[in-house]
Amino acid sequence: AQSVSQHNHHVILSEAASLELGCNYSYGGTVNLFWYVQYPGQHLQLLLKYFSGDPLVKGIKGFEAEFIKSKFSFNLRKPSVQWSDTAEYFCAVPWGTDKLIFGTGTRLQVFP
Amino acid sequence: EADIYQTPRYLVIGTGKKITLECSQTMGHDKMYWYQQDPGMELHLIHYSYGVNSTEKGDLSSESTVSRIRTEHFPLTLESARPSHTSQYLCASSYGHIYGYTFGSGTRLTVV
Repeated sequence: AQSVSQHNHHVILSEAASLELGCNYSYGGTVNLFWYVQYPGQHLQLLLKYFSGDPLVKGIKGFEAEFIKSKFSFNLRKPSVQWSDTAEYFCAVPWGTDKLIFGTGTRLQVFP
Repeated sequence: EADIYQTPRYLVIGTGKKITLECSQTMGHDKMYWYQQDPGMELHLIHYSYGVNSTEKGDLSSESTVSRIRTEHFPLTLESARPSHTSQYLCASSYGHIYGYTFGSGTRLTVV
């Protein structure tokens, strides 16, 4: 069965620092990949997605992610974080005919 | 504007009470989902629906039930709430899981 691992559970950064959050999935083949973000008190929203083509995907608010098939990874990056990026970030992969499998999430805190 | 709505946003209720969590979407999506989210844990699928009159149980065993009488409406019911049901419940809809989901704002349920 598919599983999604997010090894960074809690990340603390200062503003302007660079960010990379890890995401690994267990089952290969054709994959669609997603990153969702949940800002404090708000609902989960789509940050970016990979379907096919260029493995470097750009999303909202300056985020990007790189799909590396050989490493089963889809890491999220941002060159310079802002205080407003404080949130929880979830990686997700479709599985079977009916569901998305989510990682446990990474809590990002950015201090001014 | 197309969206997905969940009510109530917060609910504190006594043990043994019957409750219904509402979820409605105006996205025109056929597929709808209920996930349970606890702090520091991955999201767990508890119910999903492919369309009207279709309901399926997800991976996580749940004592809740769902119905899908109208395309836009997917309520979740607990016949007799218990403290173990305390959690956040997220509703989502989609054209299909490979396209990702649109989430509602969630219902944070506390059973005392």
